[in-house]
Order: sequence, then C-alpha cells, then structure tokens
Amino acid sequence: EPEVTQTPSHQVTQMGQEVILRCVPISNHLYFYWYRQILGQKVEFLVSFYNNEISEKSEIFDDQFSVERPDGSNFTLKIRSTKLEDSAMYFCATGQTQNEKLFFGSGTQLSVL
Amino acid sequence: DQQVKQNSPSLSVQEGRISILNCDYTNSMFDYFLWYKKYPAEGPTFLISISSIKDKNEDGRFTVFLNKSAKHLSLHIVPSQPGDSAVYFCAASLEYGGSQGNLIFGKGTKLSVKP
Repeated sequence: EPEVTQTPSHQVTQMGQEVILRCVPISNHLYFYWYRQILGQKVEFLVSFYNNEISEKSEIFDDQFSVERPDGSNFTLKIRSTKLEDSAMYFCATGQTQNEKLFFGSGTQLSVL
Repeated sequence: DQQVKQNSPSLSVQEGRISILNCDYTNSMFDYFLWYKKYPAEGPTFLISISSIKDKNEDGRFTVFLNKSAKHLSLHIVPSQPGDSAVYFCAASLEYGGSQGNLIFGKGTKLSVKP
C-alpha cells in the first residue's frame, strides 16, 4: 500500500534554530496537511495546502511556520526560530480529494533544547 | 476548549469480546466523523468514518454509531483481537467536502486486548 514518508524521524535542535521537516506525499494525492502532537496531548491541525498555496491554517501556525512544495514532490514544514514549546511529534498527512480519508506519515519527533 | 472528547484514556478487553470506544463532541456543526488507530512509532491510520446524514456505518469487525441528538459517537469492534491493541482517536470535521482535512481530534483511548 502506498505510504506517506517523513524525514527525519527524529530531529534535535537548539532553541532559536531553524528546522525543516520533510514529507513525501503519496504520488496522486493533491491535498497536504501538517498536524502535530505534543506529548500527552491531542493531535492538532496546523495547516492545509492545495494547489501550491495554503488553504487553511490554525492559530498555532504563526509567522514562524511556513510550508512549501519546492520541487513538486516534497512537502516541507519550516520553523524559522524554534521555541521549547515547539517540541512535538509532527505528522504529515495527504489526501487524494478533499472528501477522502487522510493518510498519515510516521511522524518526525522534534526536540527543542 | 475540547470540542472532541474521549473521556476514557484506556480500555481493557478480553480477546473475542466486544470493544466499545466512546467519543463526545460539542460543536453541532460537525458533519463528518472519523476514527483513526495509532500504533507506537507510527502515524494515525484511518479506520472508519461516518457522515452526519447516517447513524451507522459498518466495515467488517468495525461499526461506528452516531447519535446526533446526544452529540455522541462510538466505535464497536467485535470480536476484538490482540492486534487491535492501539490508541484510537476520534476526529471530527466542520464541513464535509469543505475543510475535511482540518480534523479536530480527541485525546485518544488506549485499547488493550488481552489474549
């Protein structure tokens, strides 16, 4: 079965540093999402992306966050200046249509020290 | 503000018996509901969904029931198998066909199925 691939699986960074989390969507999927889960808390929506632009974002997704598809395949989440509270598991999810179930990647565990 | 609530953090069931996982929501505008299963070190995996125009959807051993008046849904797994042991997330969406990808998740219920 096709799957969403995320790299790296773990990322440790110093506070204030920039990080880029990468996702390779399922090939015929058009809708892309980032979610995160802080340890012990619920999975939270960050942003949705379609047709090379953000279609929706949550209040968590502030100016420190950005997303792009630089080469038409990878879908990236950038955090410009990481904070301690950004430590979480970040999940990429993709869907073929807007009405369909989402396929999630295995996540990137981000630890900000 | 918990719009989707899973009040039982854990549930333990004997193999072969029924597992019932519950979920409550507060926003009456939600019109699409999903259940995801998550194993450790993996992302959530879609299990089953239901739109607000239905009150039941069945897929093999999994059945989801929706009670809109009570703003309650439940996932039934019967018979339960040890491989079903995982964290189960209930999720809701505000607009079927609109912002379906913007899912509001509950905190999850950890199901343990004992042989």
